[in-house]
Amino acid sequence: ETGVTQSPTHLIKTRGQQVTLRCSSQSGHNTVSWYQQALGQGPQFIFQYYREEENGRGNFPPRFSGLQFPNYSSELNVNALELDDSALYLCASSLAGTRREQYFGPGTRLTVT
Amino acid sequence: AQSVSQHNHHVILSEAASLELGCNYSYGGTVNLFWYVQYPGQHLQLLLKYFSGDPLVKGIKGFEAEFIKSKFSFNLRKPSVQWSDTAEYFCAVNAQDGGATNKLIFGTGTLLAVQP
Repeated sequence: ETGVTQSPTHLIKTRGQQVTLRCSSQSGHNTVSWYQQALGQGPQFIFQYYREEENGRGNFPPRFSGLQFPNYSSELNVNALELDDSALYLCASSLAGTRREQYFGPGTRLTVT
Repeated sequence: AQSVSQHNHHVILSEAASLELGCNYSYGGTVNLFWYVQYPGQHLQLLLKYFSGDPLVKGIKGFEAEFIKSKFSFNLRKPSVQWSDTAEYFCAVNAQDGGATNKLIFGTGTLLAVQP
């Protein structure tokens, strides 16, 4: 059973740039969620994708967007990067439904300078 | 809005000491409750979960948690900690509000350091 994988592991971007982060879900999982974890904080829900559509969103501006592909992998795109976007971005996969545990990937560490 | 509070930000214990980490949530309806652990250099892993039934749930590595509905609490316990339990522990909640979104609300985490 392959776990959740994310790429890249870390990257550095300049304020105003755009970034794309990638996630491959665990085998058999059809739902992908993205979380932002700032230093010293717990993960914060960004959005969730199911059947290639956004299925719920947290308190993040529209410049955070995503995609889910037919193979259930997903991308998180962030436009017009701000310094406060520096964080660990976590992807989690699960089966559909609220009574489902989520399995997390190792995260992508984004630094915005 | 739902929120989760973890009272202890940093806990230092000696090996064999007992552990209790507090977690309180704010939501008046039915909830699913989780504890996740992040060992140094590793990703978040599920320690245990509560959906319904027996409010005392047992997880991996000797951990257990008790759901007390009247107190909106889901405290994590372990009778005797080991040096390998050094990690950050996160309490998380999602609401069974009829929606389809499996959205986890996390606490700020508790960093546990176990001294040998």
